[in-house]
Order: sequence, then structure tokens, then C-alpha cells
Amino acid sequence: QQQVKQSPQSLIVQKGGISIINCAYENTAFDYFPWYQQFPGKGPALLIAIRPDVSEKKEGRFTISFNKSAKQFSLHIMDSQPGDSATYFCAASAGDSSYKLIFGSGTRLLVRP
Amino acid sequence: DAGVTQSPTHLIKTRGQQVTLRCSPKSGHDTVSWYQQALGQGPQFIFQYYEEEERQRGNFPDRFSGHQFPNYSSELNVNALLLGDSALYLCASSLWTGAGYTFGSGTRLTVV
Repeated sequence: QQQVKQSPQSLIVQKGGISIINCAYENTAFDYFPWYQQFPGKGPALLIAIRPDVSEKKEGRFTISFNKSAKQFSLHIMDSQPGDSATYFCAASAGDSSYKLIFGSGTRLLVRP
Repeated sequence: DAGVTQSPTHLIKTRGQQVTLRCSPKSGHDTVSWYQQALGQGPQFIFQYYEEEERQRGNFPDRFSGHQFPNYSSELNVNALLLGDSALYLCASSLWTGAGYTFGSGTRLTVV
């Protein structure tokens, strides 16, 4: 029940395309859902986060869509760029944003020029 | 403004040995959390320290222990190393009152 399932494991997108990564959870106590971006040799960096009181949050080219009834959330990267090539992790926690995070297994995104 | 600093960056240890990893939090942060990231996997929560006490703990054995100092820096200790402990160990700092994590670049531990 503590798991966060993430798909796909890897994704190849052409420059300018839309990248979509999906996550699903079981624990209804989760109330904070961040997405992290990780480049090789670096730690994860917070990209965007959402709480279940809204169904969508947009920051620049990055959008989180949240479906509370389906217990699913997704990251959309619009106008994908080669510089977006990285590993993306969804996560969830039950509590504030500094509570322990349960991470998904990651999606390796490659954006081709 | 310095972010989260971890040392060393890489470490090779022999099975059965003990290791200590160090973390200096981002300026202004008072809470330190440690995560283990196996190759190709998402980070897994080990434990979190605030006011020099362990506040939360993940599903890790007692071989994993930690400490937080009055200046908020922290250490992660792992005893009786196993081959399976080989991973990237990430330190993340935050404010106890919220505001999310800032992760360091990690310590790559290899157990041979």
C-alpha cells in the first residue's frame, strides 16, 4: 500500500513533442505529490508538486494532472527539449512537504534533437 | 547560497566494514533526511533527523544509524556492510515546518 507505481520505464520523444509520465498510488493518506528531475551524478531536484485539492497545476512547460478518484497523477512536459533528457521520479507523502517521500521507480526520458 | 554538501563523493568498502557518510544541510534548513538509491531505482527513505533526534524511520535494519549535530549537519553510519548496501546515498535538507527537500549530489558507496 506504500508503493507508488510509475510508467513507462523509459521514453523517447522528438524535440518539440509532449512527454507524458504516469504514476499510481494506493495509500489514500497520501496528500503531497511531487515530481523530481535527476541528471546523472546529481541528486533529484524538485520540478513541480501538487496537493489533491486541485486537479491540475502548471509551471512553464511542466504540468501535473491529478485524478483523486483513480489515485493517479501524471507529468506532462510540453515542447520537450534535449535538455529535458533526464530521469524523472514521481513521489508521494502523507503529511507536509518535508515528510518522508515514497518514490516511484523512475522514467528515463530521452529527447531527440 | 550553498546547497546540500555531502562527503565523500565516492567510497569503496569491503564487506563487513563500517562506513560513515557526512552531510551539511542547505543554509537555513534544520532537518536532514537520508535516502538510499540503488542503481536504476527510486530513492528509499532511511530516516530523518530534527533537533538532533531521529523523527521518522524507513524500513531499514538497525545496521543503519545516524546522528545530527547542533549545527544541523548529519552523519549516516552503516555497520557490517553487505554487498547489497552498494548504492547512492542521498542527503536531503528541509525545514521541519515544511517547504520541501533540497537534495545533495550523494555519496556513491561500493561494497566489494
